[in-house]
Amino acid sequence: EAQVTQNPRYLITVTGKKLTVTCSQNMNHEYMSWYRQDPGLGLRQIYYSMNVEVTDKGDVPEGYKVSRKEKRNFPLILESPSPNQTSLYFCASRIQGGGKNEQFFGPGTRLTVL
Amino acid sequence: KNEVEQSPQNLTAQEGEFITINCSYSVGISALHWLQQHPGGGIVSLFMLSSGKKKHGRLIATINIQEKHSSLHITASHPRDSAVYICAVNGISGAGSYQLTFGKGTKLSVIP
Repeated sequence: EAQVTQNPRYLITVTGKKLTVTCSQNMNHEYMSWYRQDPGLGLRQIYYSMNVEVTDKGDVPEGYKVSRKEKRNFPLILESPSPNQTSLYFCASRIQGGGKNEQFFGPGTRLTVL
Repeated sequence: KNEVEQSPQNLTAQEGEFITINCSYSVGISALHWLQQHPGGGIVSLFMLSSGKKKHGRLIATINIQEKHSSLHITASHPRDSAVYICAVNGISGAGSYQLTFGKGTKLSVIP
């Protein structure tokens, strides 16, 4: 089954404790992206990756890091989480270019930073 | 940076009604997406449009590039259509075409 998986699905942590949210897709998609969703602000793009070893900032990259060492994985790293990073996070992937750029979203990770 | 506006913010409809959700954006785009987010939180892509019109079952999406406007229509609405509908756009070229800017969503409730 074609899918995007994220782990963990729920996480409660404390300020300053480094964490990684994993994202993996099994569709051989070149493009992957991370978003956060907050009440009243909607979805906003954090980082995206056009292919292995190619990443770029979205609208709200501060406080986050990403890496793309393999095509299928795109982890989101919070080196020193703060309460303002409490949010619902989505990973997504799609085929690069052409007309087929429907995005496939992961199930979401609800993060609470105390 | 593109500004994406959706209307209405909230919509309540009786089962069977014809529903329209609107999306407008401020600068040129390469593609527009309609997404559906269910109460459980999962997001599903409904349509990707760069021109014209697309239909899938009871859902129809249209886009007018000159007017910078898109509409999502639901015919014969059903309570299972209750969800948040989100419009999103890709920029027109270069790095912008890889970035996605979202509207704040329209919350639809369909009452039996």
